[in-house]
Amino acid sequence: AQSVTQLGSHVSVSEGALVLLRCNYSSSVPPYLFWYVQYPNQGLQLLLKYTSAATLVKGINGFEAEFKKSETSFHLTKPSAHMSDAAEYFCAVNTNAGKSTFGDGTTLTVKP
Amino acid sequence: SQTIHQWPATLVQPVGSPLSLECTVEGTSNPNLYWYRQAAGRGLQLLFYSVGIGQISSEVPQNLSASRPQDRQFILSSKKLLLSDSGFYLCAGQGSYNSPLHFGNGTRLTVT
Repeated sequence: AQSVTQLGSHVSVSEGALVLLRCNYSSSVPPYLFWYVQYPNQGLQLLLKYTSAATLVKGINGFEAEFKKSETSFHLTKPSAHMSDAAEYFCAVNTNAGKSTFGDGTTLTVKP
Repeated sequence: SQTIHQWPATLVQPVGSPLSLECTVEGTSNPNLYWYRQAAGRGLQLLFYSVGIGQISSEVPQNLSASRPQDRQFILSSKKLLLSDSGFYLCAGQGSYNSPLHFGNGTRLTVT
């Protein structure tokens, strides 16, 4: 069975600082990995996805994530945080059975 | 691409009343469909999962049920709401097993 662990339920950074949101997965088969963002009172939007092509994946809004099989990780980064990045971020894994499993989410706060 | 239509946006219902939330999908045929619930400040709880008409998997024993009467229609129901049914309900669609989920804008349900 697959699972996702997001380390740190709350992350706070200053505007302009590096954003690092951690995600580790467990899967018995090669995974498909995703990061989503959720703004208050809205549904989730796809930020980026890994589907076994390049290990470094670029997404929207300047975010990127690196798939590291040896570490079973898929951490999300952004070089310089903007106030508009404040939101809830979810990591998710699909397997070839199709069903998505989500982490518990990380709330990102950006301080001026 | 997929568009998920979900309504209503907000709903206030008394304890013991029935519930029907509807979700429809545009832009893809035979999607996998999901109902999630999100409690305040919490992650996503998968409630139901469907791979086709009439095929429903229940993930959590509870006061809710789901039905899929048409390929692109997914309905969440309850005969008698409980206070614990309050939350943010999200419908999502998925084109194939390696695809990301597309989410609706959610329904904020308050049971009073």
